[in-house]
Amino acid sequence: AQSVTQLGSHVSVSEGALVLLRCNYSSSVPPYLFWYVQYPNQGLQLLLKYTTGATLVKGINGFEAEFKKSETSFHLTKPSAHMSDAAEYFCAVSGQGSQGNLIFGKGTKLSVKP
Amino acid sequence: DTGVSQNPRHKITKRGQNVTFRCDPISEHNRLYWYRQTLGQGPEFLTYFQNEAQLEKSRLLSDRFSAERPKGSFSTLEIQRTEQGDSAMYLCASSQIGGASPLHFGNGTRLTVT
Repeated sequence: AQSVTQLGSHVSVSEGALVLLRCNYSSSVPPYLFWYVQYPNQGLQLLLKYTTGATLVKGINGFEAEFKKSETSFHLTKPSAHMSDAAEYFCAVSGQGSQGNLIFGKGTKLSVKP
Repeated sequence: DTGVSQNPRHKITKRGQNVTFRCDPISEHNRLYWYRQTLGQGPEFLTYFQNEAQLEKSRLLSDRFSAERPKGSFSTLEIQRTEQGDSAMYLCASSQIGGASPLHFGNGTRLTVT
């Protein structure tokens, strides 16, 4: 069984500040991990994914995430927030040998203050 | 790659009526998924197809819900005898085969049951 926990339903940062969105997962098989972003009234857009290999993964719009197996974490970061980063962010997990169905966390809404 | 297309974008219906949504996936994708998203929650898996075969259904998918993908291309999701609790965003996604393949989402159909 797999599950995802996103700590903090709402995160607020100032423009130019570090963005850190937390994600912990539970998986009985080696996980595939994903971060998606959702803007209002839109579908989800893939930011980045971890499958195998390098544990630090770079994505679009300057975001990156690090897979830490010992901590069962996959936190999303961006060095400097921009106003356009304001959106809702979802962490998701599937597993090797799975059918590709993603299990999502409840999401973290990111607000960026000028 | 024209993306995943969902129609209609919005649907308002009265309780007890039937509704049908359509999803056109990315053409080269074999898998098609339906998710439901309510306010403040992450997407919840409903069902998925590989080509025309429906391979998995969530227990969230009550008997009033039925999905089809008759020719392995577009899919429809029908809800019979709608209830107010069915009000949600219904998201369609498609992917290639494999747990590491990311899901590509449409912009969703927002259903409001009055």
